[in-house]
Amino acid sequence: DAGVIQSPRHEVTEMGQEVTLRCKPISGHNSLFWYRQTMMRGLELLIYFNNNVPIDDSGMPEDRFSAKMPNASFSTLKIQPSEPRDSAVYFCASITTGGTEAFFGQGTRLTVV
Amino acid sequence: AQSVSQHNHHVILSEAASLELGCNYSYGGTVNLFWYVQYPGQHLQLLLKYFSGDPLVKGIKGFEAEFIKSKFSFNLRKPSVQWSDTAEYFCAVNTNAGKSTFGDGTTLTVKP
Repeated sequence: DAGVIQSPRHEVTEMGQEVTLRCKPISGHNSLFWYRQTMMRGLELLIYFNNNVPIDDSGMPEDRFSAKMPNASFSTLKIQPSEPRDSAVYFCASITTGGTEAFFGQGTRLTVV
Repeated sequence: AQSVSQHNHHVILSEAASLELGCNYSYGGTVNLFWYVQYPGQHLQLLLKYFSGDPLVKGIKGFEAEFIKSKFSFNLRKPSVQWSDTAEYFCAVNTNAGKSTFGDGTTLTVKP
């Protein structure tokens, strides 16, 4: 298995533009997590899905952020409109059945100018 | 709600020094415990994990951690650090609901 795959690896966009981050979890994993990492706030859990259903989105900072998981092999995190303070590295992780070890993608480094 | 506390924000050691990073969690139920490492410019990688059994867990690269249930702690240790251990270390807790909570991280700098 290729592991958790995130795309793009880097994204630079202008303030106000829509940004879509993508994640392909490891096949067979039934939980998927979106995290944001910044120097100031460290690693923050934004939202997590279990069996494609959003379970806890209390970490989503604002209504500008939305996440979907249309099927077991794909999830998106969308920011619309983007702002400079959204600049961060966004990680996706998937977890084996039973909620044990999390496998992380390589992250998407987002810069909003 | 569960939470994870890492006591040291930044630790600076010389090579060959011993390391102990503190991690405490708050959750009343069954948990699985993890330490992750993030080397500069790289993504998170699993160092070691505890599910059940022997509370002293050995991981990769000479790291180990001890689960002390009465103290809700899972401290990470290494007898002799190397320059290549310079990284950020995250403690994490998974509950049986599948939710994963991370500590704020500890940055370790090892001076050659």
